Amino acid sequence: KQEVTQIPAALSVPEGENLVLNCSFTDSAIYNLQWFRQDPGKGLTSLLLIQSSQREQTSGRLNASLDKSSGRSTLYIAASQPGDSATYLCAVRLFNYGGATNKLIFGTGTLLAVQP
Amino acid sequence: ETGVTQSPTHLIKTRGQQVTLRCSSQSGHNTVSWYQQALGQGPQFIFQYYREEENGRGNFPPRFSGLQFPNYSSELNVNALELDDSALYLCASSSSGRAIGEQYFGPGTRLTVT
Repeated sequence: KQEVTQIPAALSVPEGENLVLNCSFTDSAIYNLQWFRQDPGKGLTSLLLIQSSQREQTSGRLNASLDKSSGRSTLYIAASQPGDSATYLCAVRLFNYGGATNKLIFGTGTLLAVQP
Repeated sequence: ETGVTQSPTHLIKTRGQQVTLRCSSQSGHNTVSWYQQALGQGPQFIFQYYREEENGRGNFPPRFSGLQFPNYSSELNVNALELDDSALYLCASSSSGRAIGEQYFGPGTRLTVT
């Protein structure tokens, strides 16, 4: 059974600091991995999608890496800003016979607070 | 801008009642998935609809059911509501039933069961 874990559960950093969020998964047979941002009481905003054949993806100040063999992904945020404060979730999409499923397995998230 | 919309935004129901939540998928998307997110937890997969048929289900009882319409919009129905059904319900759409496309989430419906 695929399990996704995110560490730390919460993180507080001063504005301008670079930071890394961690995500680990138990089964390396994934189709892809996706990082999301969630503001309090709101839906999910997709940040980065990494296919299983890729090692990393970048968008602006965000960089996500994927190491399938070790079951790990990291989300690097450069020069953090107060507007980055949110919960960050990672999710893996599984393989199924004939291709991937739409079922995403989520971690419980990392609550990030960037202090001005 | 994702284009996925959900209604209503908030809902309060009493234990034992029935509820229907609605989702309009992003233009061009033919697959809809539903997730339940309890407070402080990650979303849990409920089921997926493709071409008006359920083609994937998570570990949820049969009182959770759904529909997808010809325009690809979808409904989630929950019968015999329980207190533990209180959660944020998220709808996600994507462009392929074989799940190749990236999923885009709506803003969610906050359901409170008293």
